[in-house]
Amino acid sequence: GQNIDQPTEMTATEGAIVQINCTYQTSGFNGLFWYQQHAGEAPTFLSYNVLDGLEEKGRFSSFLSRSKGYSYLLLKELQMKDSASYLCAAMDSNYQLIWGAGTKLIIKP
Amino acid sequence: DAMVIQNPRYQVTQFGKPVTLSCSQTLNHNVMYWYQQKSSQAPKLLFHYYDKDFNNEADTPDNFQSRRPNTSFCFLDIRSPGLGDAAMYLCATSRGTGTGGAEQYFGPGTRLTVT
Repeated sequence: GQNIDQPTEMTATEGAIVQINCTYQTSGFNGLFWYQQHAGEAPTFLSYNVLDGLEEKGRFSSFLSRSKGYSYLLLKELQMKDSASYLCAAMDSNYQLIWGAGTKLIIKP
Repeated sequence: DAMVIQNPRYQVTQFGKPVTLSCSQTLNHNVMYWYQQKSSQAPKLLFHYYDKDFNNEADTPDNFQSRRPNTSFCFLDIRSPGLGDAAMYLCATSRGTGTGGAEQYFGPGTRLTVT
């Protein structure tokens, strides 16, 4: 079966760094997406990785290891507005997105 | 600004009373998606259209129907809403479905309440 695993909830401190992990099992693989979703709002695109390695985009970076079926989202210099759910989604061989349930990130002052 | 628009943002309907949710896009994307998302759960894909080609997910209940009359608009019809259909309904678009254009852009969602 196809499956995405990510922690349900994480807590971090304003100004710190946090890493949100995601493991995936899919029928084929065509890339890994990260989305941010604030409570009651729609998901917004953060990153897409299809090759191994780290992609940096400002305070946010995303890493992929295809051989391990593993990705992480790294958030630096955390701000209160980063409090949100972070959804990991893997694209399978049919180009369908398999979504995780999201990691709720709580930022404390 | 190019965007995905959903109307209404909040919809209240009675048990068993048909309801239609609408989505429009100015991105000129080929693919449109309808997702159902319940609290703290992953978005669940209901349907997607590649142009006018309709793709129904195997586990989407018959109670849900969809129409895409043209590139810009897509509708979700719930024929007889039950209490279990209360959720956020998300419309999304993408240029394509391959690795080059599968990034999905979401509308703000319609929160459906069934009384």
